[in-house]
Amino acid sequence: DVKVTQSSRYLVKRTGEKVFLECVQDMDHENMFWYRQDPGLGLRLIYFSYDVKMKEKGDIPEGYSVSREKKERFSLILESASTNQTSMYLCATEGSGTHNEQFFGPGTRLTVL
Amino acid sequence: GEDVEQSLFLSVREGDSSVINCTYTDSSSTYLYWYKQEPGAGLQLLTYIFSNMDMKQDQRLTVLLNKKDKHLSLRIADTQTGDSAIYFCAEGASGGSYIPTFGRGTSLIVHP
Repeated sequence: DVKVTQSSRYLVKRTGEKVFLECVQDMDHENMFWYRQDPGLGLRLIYFSYDVKMKEKGDIPEGYSVSREKKERFSLILESASTNQTSMYLCATEGSGTHNEQFFGPGTRLTVL
Repeated sequence: GEDVEQSLFLSVREGDSSVINCTYTDSSSTYLYWYKQEPGAGLQLLTYIFSNMDMKQDQRLTVLLNKKDKHLSLRIADTQTGDSAIYFCAEGASGGSYIPTFGRGTSLIVHP
């Protein structure tokens, strides 16, 4: 089974802090994604990566950056956290399998005070 | 751009059938997916259907695809309280560079 883990289930930070959210997968998948999930808005894509050291902006990249130094690890960085970044953050991976489905981590609920 | 629409809420009585509907706009979609998200968890693939199929059945789940109308539905027979979750419709395609599009999710509430 594909396993996607996220470093924290719950996180509380203060406005202006730099925040790191880590995602690790164990299935050698090429593609990794960061989404945020807000009530009534569904999933919104922040950034994605097709390979090590490669990154592409999603629909809402403002205020975020990412890092992918190793294939199994994809980090989301909030350079200066703001209250409107309070949300559920979901990491996902996608391999080159036959169905192109995504595999999700359990999510990190971030609260910015 | 591509869009996937689904209603936000559905309430059913335990033992009844649930039908969750979805419409999409991208005619080049190869796969249509249903994901389930239980409270406090990430999304998990429930089932998928290939775009050249009309129907797929898997135990209590039936997926219907009307490609002409770009309409997808998920029917859950004999709905149980454990089926209470958010259900996301998504469309995707073959190829490593294709980014899937998700609907906003339908919250299914099952009451006794």
